[in-house]
Amino acid sequence: DAGVTQSPTHLIKTRGQQVTLRCSPKSGHDTVSWYQQALGQGPQFIFQYYEEEERQRGNFPDRFSGHQFPNYSSELNVNALLLGDSALYLCASSFWDRGNTGELFFGEGSRLTVL
Amino acid sequence: AQSVAQPEDQVKVAEGNPLTVKCTYSVSGNPYLFWYVQYPNRGLQFLLKYITGDNLVKGSYGFEAEFNKSQTSFHLKKPSALVSDSALYFCAVRDPRNTGFQKLVFGTGTRLLVSP
Repeated sequence: DAGVTQSPTHLIKTRGQQVTLRCSPKSGHDTVSWYQQALGQGPQFIFQYYEEEERQRGNFPDRFSGHQFPNYSSELNVNALLLGDSALYLCASSFWDRGNTGELFFGEGSRLTVL
Repeated sequence: AQSVAQPEDQVKVAEGNPLTVKCTYSVSGNPYLFWYVQYPNRGLQFLLKYITGDNLVKGSYGFEAEFNKSQTSFHLKKPSALVSDSALYFCAVRDPRNTGFQKLVFGTGTRLLVSP
């Protein structure tokens, strides 16, 4: 049973560029969340997608956007990259109907470096 | 707003000794609490959760956690540490009022070092 898979694992961008990160959820999961983990910090919630709609959003600017596809996979897009966007981006999947009592399953992350 | 605090950046124990990683929380109402572990260059792995019921929760790899409402704490414990337990541990809380929303609020993490 494949877990949560993310791509790419590492990437380097320059300030002002745009980046797209991809995530395939664990088999059977229908909900995807994205987190940003800066070096030495805990993960911070970016947003959550279910049924191709953004359901909940954290305190991130509009430069951060996402998408969920009919097969439940998801993309995270970041525009106009800043140095402070350098971080490990984690995707997590879950069952929507487990609500807020179910655990999240995380991928291994995409490490973004902005120069 | 909900939050968690992990007061120790690092915990060191010798293999075979008991370990405790501390977590305190702040949330309106009854909290939903989680522990995750992160190994180097890896994502987070779920260890255990407290939703309701017994204050002592058992999880993966021999870990357990004790929920204490009066002290607003959810400390992670293991009776006998292994060198392979060395990793970064995160406590997290979820708002119990929003049943459809799965946002987790994480602490800053505690690095556990188990010496042979």
